[in-house]
Amino acid sequence: GESVGLHLPTLSVQEGDNSIINCAYSNSASDYFIWYKQESGKGPQFIIDIRSNMDKRQGQRVTVLLNKTVKHLSLQIAATQPGDSAVYFCAERPYTGRRALTFGSGTRLQVQP
Amino acid sequence: KAGVTQTPRYLIKTRGQQVTLSCSPISGHRSVSWYQQTPGQGLQFLFEYFSETQRNKGNFPGRFSGRQFSNSRSEMNVSTLELGDSALYLCASSEPTGDTQYFGPGTRLTVL
Repeated sequence: GESVGLHLPTLSVQEGDNSIINCAYSNSASDYFIWYKQESGKGPQFIIDIRSNMDKRQGQRVTVLLNKTVKHLSLQIAATQPGDSAVYFCAERPYTGRRALTFGSGTRLQVQP
Repeated sequence: KAGVTQTPRYLIKTRGQQVTLSCSPISGHRSVSWYQQTPGQGLQFLFEYFSETQRNKGNFPGRFSGRQFSNSRSEMNVSTLELGDSALYLCASSEPTGDTQYFGPGTRLTVL
């Protein structure tokens, strides 16, 4: 079945550095991708999303890049802050018109002061 | 707007019992999806409801069911609980024509 995987389970960065979290997806028919941040004891928090007809989208301090050729998704966080420490999930939507998301296993981002 | 709310936040049940979890979506959102999160399986889609109709169902046994009411509030039910049902159950809502799903804080279910 479809799977969304992450290259690195844990990423440790220094405060102020840029962070890059990578994600591979397997379903070439997926038309929508989304990144969530989950802090301990909380539900996933929406960060940014991108449709398959785009290759880049920017938000506040975050950028998502989509490379459909190699089925790769990345989340870039600029000037990483201690408050960015959390688990980050990527997800894909394999079926157009349905909201079921397939999630990756998550990457833990640790920001060192 | 208030976010997605889920009740109860914590629940302890024993094997064989059944449980009902509740979700109130963001005002104006008519689509509600449910997910199960466990350390071993991660986040897995359970089902999606829109306008009181189940539109999509994940690969879970029939013990897992749900429904949606006319005010878009949703409930999910798990019957004959098993130890493996211990998980964080998350509800997410979306605008009628929107893609983004916004999650609630979840209900932590522990089955003893």
